[in-house]
Amino acid sequence: DVKVTQSSRYLVKRTGEKVFLECVQDMDHENMFWYRQDPGLGLRLIYFSYDVKMKEKGDIPEGYSVSREKKERFSLILESASTNQTSMYLCASSPDGNTEAFFGQGTRLTVV
Amino acid sequence: AQKITQTQPGMFVQEKEAVTLDCTYDTSDPSYGLFWYKQPSSGEMIFLIYQGSYDQQNATEGRYSLNFQKARKSANLVISASQLGDSAMYFCAMREGTSGTYKYIFGTGTRLKVLA
Repeated sequence: DVKVTQSSRYLVKRTGEKVFLECVQDMDHENMFWYRQDPGLGLRLIYFSYDVKMKEKGDIPEGYSVSREKKERFSLILESASTNQTSMYLCASSPDGNTEAFFGQGTRLTVV
Repeated sequence: AQKITQTQPGMFVQEKEAVTLDCTYDTSDPSYGLFWYKQPSSGEMIFLIYQGSYDQQNATEGRYSLNFQKARKSANLVISASQLGDSAMYFCAMREGTSGTYKYIFGTGTRLKVLA
């Protein structure tokens, strides 16, 4: 079974902190994605990556950056956390576009 | 403009009845894929069904079927014989782009409640 693992299920951080959300997949997938999920807004794409060190902005990249130094790991970075970044963050990976995206369990981030 | 539109924020269905969840999409690419996911209250995203833009037949997976109407750009999910365990949030998604640089675009979701 494909496994996508996010480092934390719940996280509480203070405003202004630098926050790292880690995601690891074990199926050698080329493509990885970071979404945030908010009530009434669905899943919105923050960043995605189609290869090591390659990244593309999604629909809401402001306030975020990403890092993909190894194929299996895709990190989301909040450079200076703000309260409006309180959300559920979902990581996903996919081997190709004709296959579904496989999701991690999500990280519920609260910024206080 | 919304690329994936789910117009039903919430729906109720009686147990054992069929229910249709609506999804319309917008793309000018000839090649795309359409997906449905279920998200129970526990939060995990469960893949249900996939339809490719070139597929001639509607996709089916057990009690799930995808009513694909290409000219209308709709990809409705039909759940037959609803069960209490079907109560969840349902998301429609579209794969946009080809080859390596593709992405999945999601709708805002429909919360389904199955009544006993």
